[in-house]
Amino acid sequence: KAGVTQTPRYLIKTRGQQVTLSCSPISGHRSVSWYQQTPGQGLQFLFEYFSETQRNKGNFPGRFSGRQFSNSRSEMNVSTLELGDSALYLCASSFYRQETQYFGPGTRLLVL
Amino acid sequence: QQPVQSPQAVILREGEDAVINCSSSKALYSVHWYRQKHGEAPVFLMILLKGGEQKGHDKISASFNEKKQQSSLYLTASQLSYSGTYFCGTEQASARQLTFGSGTQLTVLP
Repeated sequence: KAGVTQTPRYLIKTRGQQVTLSCSPISGHRSVSWYQQTPGQGLQFLFEYFSETQRNKGNFPGRFSGRQFSNSRSEMNVSTLELGDSALYLCASSFYRQETQYFGPGTRLLVL
Repeated sequence: QQPVQSPQAVILREGEDAVINCSSSKALYSVHWYRQKHGEAPVFLMILLKGGEQKGHDKISASFNEKKQQSSLYLTASQLSYSGTYFCGTEQASARQLTFGSGTQLTVLP
C-alpha cells in the first residue's frame, strides 16, 4: 500500500505570496492532519480534516487554511506569507480520527 | 498544552538501554510515540491508551501511567538504527488532537 504523499517536496516563495500544499493520504484513510515543524517550535498541530470537514484547529492565524476533498485528499493554503512561515509542513493520515497517524515526507517551505 | 519530554538528548553505546519520559499536566486519553531521523518524516512506533497498558515490539516498549499522566519509552540493547529524535504526542479526551513534545535526540554510537 502506498504511503502518504505530499507535493511539492520543496518550495521557495517570497513574503506576501500565497502557497498551496497538497497531501494524498494512504488509500482508505479518511482523516488528514497537518503539522508545522520548525527547529524552534517543534511539531505543532495546524488542523485536522475528516469527511471533508475541519474537526480541529491549532493555534495558528487565519492565514492558514485547508480543505479536504471527497477522495480524502487534502490541501492547505497559507496566504500572505511571512518569513516565520518557513518550515517543514507535514501531513499525516489515519483511517479514523485519532488513530495511528502515518506521516508523509513533508513539504519544505522557504520564505525569502 | 505541550507535554514535557526528558531528557532532551542522550548518547548511548550500542547495546545500552535508554528511557525517555513524557509527562503532561492534563488528563490524557492516549500517548503516541514517533521516531524521526534527520531529513525524514516521523515514523510511528506505538500508541498507548489510558488504562496503563504497556506495549512493545522488538526491543522498544512503552508504558502509560494514567494516574501520573506520564509515559515512558524503553529502548533496550540499543542498535545504531535507533538513533534519531523521539517525540511523544499526547491526546486529551476533551481535545482530540495530538500535541507533541519537543523531542529527545538519541544518538547510538558503535
